[in-house]
Amino acid sequence: GENVGLHLPTLSVQEGDNSIINCAYSNSASDYFIWYKQESGKGPQFIIDIRSNMDKRQGQRVTVLLNKTVKHLSLQIAATQPGDSAVYFCAENTGGFKTIFGAGTRLFVKA
Amino acid sequence: DSGVTQTPKHLITATGQRVTLRCSPRSGDLSVYWYQQSLDQGLQFLIQYYNGEERAKGNILERFSAQQFPDLHSELNLSSLELGDSALYFCASSERGGTYEQYFGPGTRLTVT
Repeated sequence: GENVGLHLPTLSVQEGDNSIINCAYSNSASDYFIWYKQESGKGPQFIIDIRSNMDKRQGQRVTVLLNKTVKHLSLQIAATQPGDSAVYFCAENTGGFKTIFGAGTRLFVKA
Repeated sequence: DSGVTQTPKHLITATGQRVTLRCSPRSGDLSVYWYQQSLDQGLQFLIQYYNGEERAKGNILERFSAQQFPDLHSELNLSSLELGDSALYFCASSERGGTYEQYFGPGTRLTVT
């Protein structure tokens, strides 16, 4: 699953710091949002999801925030670790069968 | 390991040829999705099947087709291949369709020469 060559937005953080990855989604009718992590050479992996009737959801070391007013989604990773280095994708779904993925953000964690 | 399997892992073929990519979903999942990931276009949704029926289409070329069989495995057929079809092709599955998380396979890397 390499994204070498893609001009992805990149976020570089120090190990132990918190990371915030942002995503602007396109469809105001979308009601289900997901964050995926893609490590080099692998397929995307589900991290956390949120439905439109919520504005915050927490997982293990991750929090997703949803702002429907401005169509914005963010993923917060607490105490970022080297293993968190990957490309992160947000995805939206309008309740049908089609999921639209964002372009992705590459996260580099410096030891 | 997501439980989704894809074969082959790598495929190298020439322009004009036809290939078939295979996907077996997680046990119990009824929905299968196909995505294309190329260097300049990120992850693009191609098509989705639910329990054998096509349910959603994305940016899938007419040269491409897919189907889901009664045992729920799926195949993606790519024909009249062009250099620009070189990409990673991912299959994902979910318990149902739409608003459920998808589990991705390891992908098939297709190189068209």
